[in-house]
Amino acid sequence: RKEVEQDPGPFNVPEGATVAFNCTYSNSASQSFFWYRQDCRKEPKLLMSVYSSGNEDGRFTAQLNRASQYISLLIRDSKLSDSATYLCVVTPSGNTPLVFGKGTRLSVIA
Amino acid sequence: DAGVIQSPRHEVTEMGQEVTLRCKPISGHDYLFWYRQTMMRGLELLIYFNNNVPIDDSGMPEDRFSAKMPNASFSTLKIQPSEPRDSAVYFCASRGWDSQETQYFGPGTRLLVL
Repeated sequence: RKEVEQDPGPFNVPEGATVAFNCTYSNSASQSFFWYRQDCRKEPKLLMSVYSSGNEDGRFTAQLNRASQYISLLIRDSKLSDSATYLCVVTPSGNTPLVFGKGTRLSVIA
Repeated sequence: DAGVIQSPRHEVTEMGQEVTLRCKPISGHDYLFWYRQTMMRGLELLIYFNNNVPIDDSGMPEDRFSAKMPNASFSTLKIQPSEPRDSAVYFCASRGWDSQETQYFGPGTRLLVL
């Protein structure tokens, strides 16, 4: 089983739609969780951290379910500029490298 | 700060040639990571350093790959000899004690081995 698994997509949604991505991780001792965004032919960049209580940043909401080892990202009111690949990222323990999922590709269509 | 700097941005070489990729981390960051990204395998960690010391190189595919970090501001990833299956985007990333586990990536080197 891969450490971090994501649906690769692509998700093709119209502008204004709400879209949700899911991710599961295999290491129950994992400590930190993130979503990174990667634009086409660019490097990954941190989108947001994911906290146990869930957190929101504008149109983006991230949630963590430790019991199910499940992370989600919700994007409301999708914009064309949201088109990118979204990478689910986990840190197995403190000071260890991030472990990346393969990403979910989102295309927002006008 | 200029961010993580990588060179070259693109490299095309022939099978059997030596390839050297370079990285300059963000000043003050004490962790440096080398990743490889392909469509099939996603982002794979190759090796990482802490305070210039290699900590884990278990992701290095084989002996053809080697990495060094002679000082806090410079690292190299070398492939010798290169093979077509090494074609990928190679990212360098760095992290500092104050960045709360956030890794900052360089723009990557796109390597094509013919």
